[in-house]
Amino acid sequence: QVQLQESGPGLMKPSQTLSLTCTVSGGSVSSGNYYWSWIRQPAGKRLEWIGRSYTSGSTDYNPSLKSRVTISLETSKNQFSLKLNSVTAADTAVYYCARETNYGHIAYWGQGTRVTVSS
Amino acid sequence: DIQMTQSPSSVSASVGDRVTITCRASQGLNSRLAWYQQKPGKAPKVLIYGASSLQSGVPSRFSGSGSGTDFTLTISSLQPEDFATYYCQQSDSFPLTFGGGTKVDVK
Repeated sequence: QVQLQESGPGLMKPSQTLSLTCTVSGGSVSSGNYYWSWIRQPAGKRLEWIGRSYTSGSTDYNPSLKSRVTISLETSKNQFSLKLNSVTAADTAVYYCARETNYGHIAYWGQGTRVTVSS
Repeated sequence: DIQMTQSPSSVSASVGDRVTITCRASQGLNSRLAWYQQKPGKAPKVLIYGASSLQSGVPSRFSGSGSGTDFTLTISSLQPEDFATYYCQQSDSFPLTFGGGTKVDVK
């Protein structure tokens, strides 16, 4: 059974860089026909897909965030990470890491980590 | 981006009721449509993928249908554990996008 767990700071100041890590167990980030994804959900709002990395390391990003986002695999630790530059209050949300199938649906999710951006 | 519009935004129902939720896409999806259930403070859980395929382990009272731009999630007989918010999601084109959600609460 694949399990994912997010880790990272819960509180940030505007203009800082958000760094989150997802630790994967029960599966390898570097094998299989899957994508390793980040999704966020502001309080009371719909889910927003941030982007994903294939097991090869190739990436796709939401155009609305592409200039600020980097997703990368850390195969030696069986982890993948999200970096979001120049955060503002609009980036306040619960951030989920997830495993996306090649058909585009998301079968495995982390529990989510709340990130608040405030001065 | 493909816009996903769900209706209704909320529905009040009783245990045993049949509940139907609709999702409309701003363009055709080639059946690349999934449905999720989310409970407060929890991550979403996939119920249906490919518009009508039941995810392993999901009760058969959940079903999905539709094609093109119009899709439906049906709960045939609502159970106490089904009170939650439901989201649709398209994966036909980037970026993947989600509907605004339908909250199913107690009548």
